[in-house]
Amino acid sequence: DTEVTQTPKHLVMGMTNKKSLKCEQHMGHRAMYWYKQKAKKPPELMFVYSYEKLSINESVPSRFSPECPNSSLLNLHLHALQPEDSALYLCASSQRWTSGLTYNEQFFGPGTRLTVL
Amino acid sequence: DAKTTQPNSMESNEEEPVHLPCNHSTISGTDYIHWYRQLPSQGPEYVIHGLTSNVNNRMASLAIAEDRKSSTLILHRATLRDAAVYYCILNRGGADGLTFGKGTHLIIQP
Repeated sequence: DTEVTQTPKHLVMGMTNKKSLKCEQHMGHRAMYWYKQKAKKPPELMFVYSYEKLSINESVPSRFSPECPNSSLLNLHLHALQPEDSALYLCASSQRWTSGLTYNEQFFGPGTRLTVL
Repeated sequence: DAKTTQPNSMESNEEEPVHLPCNHSTISGTDYIHWYRQLPSQGPEYVIHGLTSNVNNRMASLAIAEDRKSSTLILHRATLRDAAVYYCILNRGGADGLTFGKGTHLIIQP
């Protein structure tokens, strides 16, 4: 199984709502990532988890709250979002880098398209 | 991460080879050269990577200049399914997250 799944596919929410995005992989990968992609722009890294611990936060506003409850699952909790947060949210996973011995390609999910009204 | 420069768009005909260039003059010795592509309405997918030597896989070939300041992704026989945005990315191997540039929008004409 070389698939990263993301749910929901589409999400519409108001600025006062709380919602969560879910990402799952069963490849035994120990690094997981959230990216944000605005229309016609490249993906931008938001967060990196390594062995279920947050290792990189690219200065993302606190209205985005990531969570990695286990090695297969990654959540992104959303609260009090703004219309400019509307975007495609991509999840990815890879093996953890190990002393330059192995190249670890990232596997991406299809994304959740989020619209904030 | 070091910066890469790619043409905004390129056009090619179906069943012909495609050469996608990438300049990375500030590449460091530990940077891998990665290529990912993003088909319409999909997440990015890995294409190929290399460090110093040219590389081939089932999807493409990667030609790396001797001074590593540029590289070329080669699709040997383009199909309509290869129409996508192709990203050239440098970093140590992907575990720290990828920094995407603007990429090259590849258009394939039938």
